[in-house]
Amino acid sequence: NAGVMQNPRHLVRRRGQEARLRCSPMKGHSHVYWYRQLPEEGLKFMVYLQKENIIDESGMPKERFSAEFPKEGPSILRIQQVVRGDSAAYFCASSPLFSDDTNGYTFGSGTRLTVV
Amino acid sequence: TQLLEQSPQFLSIQEGENLTVYCNSSSVFSSLQWYRQEPGEGPVLLVTVVTGGEVKKLKRLTFQFGDARKDSSLHITAAQPGDTGLYLCAGASTGAGSYQLTFGKGTKLSVIP
Repeated sequence: NAGVMQNPRHLVRRRGQEARLRCSPMKGHSHVYWYRQLPEEGLKFMVYLQKENIIDESGMPKERFSAEFPKEGPSILRIQQVVRGDSAAYFCASSPLFSDDTNGYTFGSGTRLTVV
Repeated sequence: TQLLEQSPQFLSIQEGENLTVYCNSSSVFSSLQWYRQEPGEGPVLLVTVVTGGEVKKLKRLTFQFGDARKDSSLHITAAQPGDTGLYLCAGASTGAGSYQLTFGKGTKLSVIP
């Protein structure tokens, strides 16, 4: 039973390019959460999605960032016109239930984005 | 804004020693989770504590949730090199937004053989 799969593991983009990060939740999980970990910082919540719905995007920067979780396929975190400050590790977590905080979350191995 | 302070930030101990790391906040959480993160990997869940005063044991690891559900501690007995890693606590807020975890910055533990 595969865990949460994220790809690519490492992504290098030049300033101004677009970055697309993909997350496939665990089998049977329909709730996906994205977090960002900046160097020397804790993980920060970005967005919570269910299939075809954005439930809470309060942690997402207002510009250049978007997320989707289509009916078929992985969840995508998209960063347009990347800047050096976007360099970070981006983690995806999934859960089978809404607000499954009492059981904890399964995280993927992350995508490490480097903007040069 | 909810904050979780973890201490110490760094800890280097000899194999066989005991240690305690702390996670403190002025906010009340509906639950608190502990994760361990290896370099280049994602956080791996160790335990979730839900009830104030709750104590959970996982082999040599003992987790405690404060009575007021604002703080937690992780105690490791007879540490081993395999315990080396970054330990993160994460609190789930009360109410409708409990899916949104607030993470501490972590305690980086090194256990020297």
